[in-house]
Amino acid sequence: EAGVAQSPRYKIIEKRQSVAFWCNPISGHATLYWYQQILGQGPKLLIQFQNNGVVDDSQLPKDRFSAERLKGVDSTLKIQPAKLEDSAVYLCASQGGTNEQFFGPGTRLTVL
Amino acid sequence: AQSVSQHNHHVILSEAASLELGCNYSYGGTVNLFWYVQYPGQHLQLLLKYFSGDPLVKGIKGFEAEFIKSKFSFNLRKPSVQWSDTAEYFCAVNANNGNKLVFGAGTILRVKS
Repeated sequence: EAGVAQSPRYKIIEKRQSVAFWCNPISGHATLYWYQQILGQGPKLLIQFQNNGVVDDSQLPKDRFSAERLKGVDSTLKIQPAKLEDSAVYLCASQGGTNEQFFGPGTRLTVL
Repeated sequence: AQSVSQHNHHVILSEAASLELGCNYSYGGTVNLFWYVQYPGQHLQLLLKYFSGDPLVKGIKGFEAEFIKSKFSFNLRKPSVQWSDTAEYFCAVNANNGNKLVFGAGTILRVKS
């Protein structure tokens, strides 16, 4: 079974630039999550999708972050404009019928 | 709001030593509990989980964890660590009526050979 795919794996941008991350979940998984993991901290949920609908985006900084999952499969997370404090690893996870989330390798973002 | 506290951020052990990593959570309702591990250069993967039943759960690679409801704890244990257990370990909780995972800050384990 293929795992959760994410790209790019690394991204370096300057502050005020925009950036987008892509996630392809495990086939058939209806639930998709985006987490932000700042160095020295555990992952923090940004947004949860059930198919193509948003279930929880209470911790998403909506003034600069946006996410979509238009066809209920792939998802993109965008930051515009980026700030220094957005430097982190962005993790995508998917979940099927069980209460277990499967994580992708993450995208490491550095904002200079 | 739920929160998860992991007691030690860094632990260094020699091979064959016993391991116990502490995890406490704050949530008054029914919870599901998880330990995830991240080996160097790899993604997060599930080590073990507790939903209900026997509070002592066994996971992969000889790890186990005990849920003590009265102490709001879910400590991870391994009787004898190996160099290959060097990794970062995360405790996570979700409420039984939801999927949102709340993670602790993680414990970095280094095992000296």
